[in-house]
Amino acid sequence: SQQGEEDPQALSIQEGENATMNCSYKTSINNLQWYRQNSGRGLVHLILIRSNEREKHSGRLRVTLDTSKKSSSLLITASRAADTASYFCATAYSSASKIIFGSGTRLSIRP
Amino acid sequence: SAVISQKPSRDICQRGTSLTIQCQVDSQVTMMFWYRQQPGQSLTLIATANQGSEATYESGFVIDKFPISRPNLTFSTLTVSNMSPEDSSIYLCSVEDRRSPQSFFGQGTRLTVV
Repeated sequence: SQQGEEDPQALSIQEGENATMNCSYKTSINNLQWYRQNSGRGLVHLILIRSNEREKHSGRLRVTLDTSKKSSSLLITASRAADTASYFCATAYSSASKIIFGSGTRLSIRP
Repeated sequence: SAVISQKPSRDICQRGTSLTIQCQVDSQVTMMFWYRQQPGQSLTLIATANQGSEATYESGFVIDKFPISRPNLTFSTLTVSNMSPEDSSIYLCSVEDRRSPQSFFGQGTRLTVV
């Protein structure tokens, strides 16, 4: 069963704009990860944030985590056409356990 | 980081037949995971495969339909048995690497059942 829900389910923005995706989960976690998937194939790991962290940055990516609200957000700044993909959050209950995926957001970047 | 080779990358199979998917990792890992991704959907965990023990299946998945082998610390197979069109999905294997908290994924097997 899926741990989390993401919103929006689909997002279409103009190139250069920022994209924000949200993820909510149900139970306490050890860490939360964000992945990108192009054309329904392999997953690319983007960023991991631990439960004791509140914010992380990686290039144009910014992830926040609010454990009190059991939610996370992924911000992609200055979007590019190559950012068009599906984005998934995934949560882990412990440091060496299975990860459970959210429902995903399909992001489309208009040129 | 772990590098995963998954075979086949895609296949078209007749209903009623079985397909075995292989997952090879370039390093020894304790836990391997198998996921299914139905068209337009997110990934759903099928089972966790530990070397030397029976796989642990998630709710809604059974060993008779998805038998898993884990003969050593670098290899696992997932078989999709007695296939029907509803089994058409992408199947992905994943590993956790104790050197890193993130999970690593194979490129997936795109299965079409006709």
